[in-house]
Amino acid sequence: KQEVTQIPAALSVPEGENLVLNCSFTDSAIYNLQWFRQDPGKGLTSLLLIQSSQREQTSGRLNASLDKSSGRSTLYIAASQPGDSATYLCAVVPLYGGATNKLIFGTGTLLAVQP
Amino acid sequence: GAGVSQTPSNKVTEKGKYVELRCDPISGHTALYWYRQSLGQGPEFLIYFQGTGAADDSGLPNDRFFAVRPEGSVSTLKIQRTERGDSAVYLCASSPTLAGRRDTQYFGPGTRLTVL
Repeated sequence: KQEVTQIPAALSVPEGENLVLNCSFTDSAIYNLQWFRQDPGKGLTSLLLIQSSQREQTSGRLNASLDKSSGRSTLYIAASQPGDSATYLCAVVPLYGGATNKLIFGTGTLLAVQP
Repeated sequence: GAGVSQTPSNKVTEKGKYVELRCDPISGHTALYWYRQSLGQGPEFLIYFQGTGAADDSGLPNDRFFAVRPEGSVSTLKIQRTERGDSAVYLCASSPTLAGRRDTQYFGPGTRLTVL
């Protein structure tokens, strides 16, 4: 059974700092991995999607890497801003889940960027 | 364009009551998903629709939970004889996925269900 773990559970950093969020998964047979952002009382916003054949994806100040063989992904946020404060969720799509695109999520990292 | 919408945003009910939660996906999206997010946890998959049919309902916890999507657009998640353990945020997502593809899912804001 695929399990996704995120470390740390919570993180507080001063504004301007670069930071790394970690995600690990137990089964390397994945189709893709996605990072989401969740703001309080709101739904999830997709940040980056990495296909299993890719090593990384970049969008603005965000960079996500994927090491499928070791079951790890990291989300790097450069020059953090207070507006980055949110919960960050990692999720994988299992390779052998049939036609279902169901996501298996980690428990998230709650990020607070202090001004 | 409009995103995924869910109604109501909040629902408070008493134990044993019946509730319906509604999801309006992005127009033209053929795939629709329901997830449930308990406090402090990541979302957990409940059910997946491709068009009008439930292609995968393996995540439904028991037979008190049922979902429909009669016209391939709006979906309703129905919970009978609610229990306090059903309290959670119910999230809906849609994607343009055709069977066999793997696209980004677009999530709605969720419905927070509280069972007293």
